Amino acid sequence: EDQVTQSPEALRLQEGESSSLNCSYTVSGLRGLFWYRQDPGKGPEFLFTLYSAGEEKEKERLKATLTKKESFLHITAPKPEDSATYLCAARTGGGNKLTFGTGTQLKVEL
Amino acid sequence: ETGVTQTPRHLVMGMTNKKSLKCEQHLGHNAMYWYKQSAKKPLELMFVYSLEERVENNSVPSRFSPECPNSSHLFLHLHTLQPEDSALYLCASSQDYGNTGELFFGEGSRLTVL
Repeated sequence: EDQVTQSPEALRLQEGESSSLNCSYTVSGLRGLFWYRQDPGKGPEFLFTLYSAGEEKEKERLKATLTKKESFLHITAPKPEDSATYLCAARTGGGNKLTFGTGTQLKVEL
Repeated sequence: ETGVTQTPRHLVMGMTNKKSLKCEQHLGHNAMYWYKQSAKKPLELMFVYSLEERVENNSVPSRFSPECPNSSHLFLHLHTLQPEDSALYLCASSQDYGNTGELFFGEGSRLTVL
């Protein structure tokens, strides 16, 4: 059975304190690893797709990386507006079926 | 209107009521999805429609009944629900079902079953 595990469950950072979120996956035939951001009361917002080990993508203070077993979302010098829940999902098999993790709730304080 | 719009945003219903959730996408996409999001649980895929045809039905109880009258609209009809069905119901769309991973989500309908 495909499984996606995110850690930590919650993370509190001071503004400017860089850190990483982890997404480990056990799936058969990965066809894409996705990162989404979800603000309270809102739907998830797409951030990145990674397809192969070694691939990296960046957007502002966020950088996503992928290995054969896990993905990291690195947050450099975070700001309070980066506070949100970050979800990762693995796409496997045919179609567009995504297996989601439970998310990491990030809070960045002044 | 842009993106994916869901109505109502909040719904409270009794166990014997019948209600419907509505989703409309303004992106010209061909695939639409219903997901359930419960606290501390991963998003659960419920149904997928591709070009108005249902292609996924993930063992969802029959008290949830989807309808896709055209590629822009998706409904989730609810009847005789249980309190454990209380959750955030998210609609999403993607360009196609077969080869595109990026999902565009609506803001969700928060359902409370009393």
